[in-house]
Amino acid sequence: DVKVTQSSRYLVKRTGEKVFLECVQDMDHENMFWYRQDPGLGLRLIYFSYDVKMKEKGDIPEGYSVSREKKERFSLILESASTNQTSMYLCASRPGVWAGELFFGEGSRLTVL
Amino acid sequence: AQRVTQPEKLLSVFKGAPVELKCNYSYSGSPELFWYVQYSRQRLQLLLRHISRESIKGFTADLNKGETSFHLKKPFAQEEDSAMYYCALRKFSSGSARQLTFGSGTQLTVLP
Repeated sequence: DVKVTQSSRYLVKRTGEKVFLECVQDMDHENMFWYRQDPGLGLRLIYFSYDVKMKEKGDIPEGYSVSREKKERFSLILESASTNQTSMYLCASRPGVWAGELFFGEGSRLTVL
Repeated sequence: AQRVTQPEKLLSVFKGAPVELKCNYSYSGSPELFWYVQYSRQRLQLLLRHISRESIKGFTADLNKGETSFHLKKPFAQEEDSAMYYCALRKFSSGSARQLTFGSGTQLTVLP
């Protein structure tokens, strides 16, 4: 089974703090994604990465950055957290661009006070 | 730009009743459509995709290009079907636009 692991299930941070969300997958997948999940808005793509050191902006990249130094790890960074970034963050991976199915992590619920 | 619309945020049906979760999309090319499901306290996972034309857990979905719809159906709902369901679309074209676009989701509750 594909395993996508997000390091933190729950985080509470203060406005202005720097936040790191880590995601690791164990199936040598090329592509990795960060989504945020909000009630009534569904899943919105923040950033994605087709390969190591490659990244592309998704639909809502403002206020976020990402890092992919190793194939198995994709980090989401909030340089200065704000209250409107309180959300559930989902990491996903897939073997390559030809593959339709995404494999998701369990999610990281971030609360910014 | 592609868009996926799920008009119902909440849907409740009784056990044994038919259920239909609606999904409409807007995209001028050849789309690839999916249904993902998230059960309580579980991770989001693929339920089915239109190109497979399969039935998973009794659910089916037919792509209707004329109506630009991909509704999810089950003839007899079960309590364990209660979950959040997301419809998703992916362009068939090449290039960086091959990521999924998700709808806003429908929370299905199957009542005993």
